[in-house]
Amino acid sequence: AQSVTQPDIHITVSEGASLELRCNYSYGATPYLFWYVQSPGQGLQLLLKYFSGDTLVQGIKGFEAEFKRSQSSFNLRKPSVHWSDAAEYFCAALWEYGNKLVFGAGTILRVKS
Amino acid sequence: DSGVTQTPKHLITATGQRVTLRCSPRSGDLSVYWYQQSLDQGLQFLIQYYNGEERAKGNILERFSAQQFPDLHSELNLSSLELGDSALYFCASSVGGTTDTQYFGPGTRLTVL
Repeated sequence: AQSVTQPDIHITVSEGASLELRCNYSYGATPYLFWYVQSPGQGLQLLLKYFSGDTLVQGIKGFEAEFKRSQSSFNLRKPSVHWSDAAEYFCAALWEYGNKLVFGAGTILRVKS
Repeated sequence: DSGVTQTPKHLITATGQRVTLRCSPRSGDLSVYWYQQSLDQGLQFLIQYYNGEERAKGNILERFSAQQFPDLHSELNLSSLELGDSALYFCASSVGGTTDTQYFGPGTRLTVL
């Protein structure tokens, strides 16, 4: 079955430190891949997406993600985290012959000063 | 602000009741999607409408139904409510199909007592 795994439920990083949030997808064919962020009490906002081409994707707010086919992964990175980045991050996938976004369970990011 | 509006923001009701959630998509968007976010199930796709017609169905219960009107706004109807239906319900919209960026509304928090 199509699924998306975010292995880390919570991550805490210090302000100014680098960040990497992990995401893996199942089900052989390469899906379209997305990262969304949800701030408390807010809806989801798209950070970036990967459909094809360059495997390093730049997004908003200084985020980037790298697609690695060999590892079925699409990890989100940021070189220097700001306190305002504290939120929940969702990885999602859409398979070509599917018709729905499949979301991971989310990773809650805490930023300590 | 994504441009997607949802009303009401909060809804408190009793088991067995019926409620209607409303969504207005971004101007120009033809697709509307409904999602349920709960602690135990995570973020799950319920249903998609495109230009008034049902396009895709996810994990939507038979007690739930939706429609999209000629002005493209959508309503999600939840009936015979159970305690387990308490959740955040998000609406998203996109220009066209599922591969287009989905813009999420702020959500409706439903509490069933």
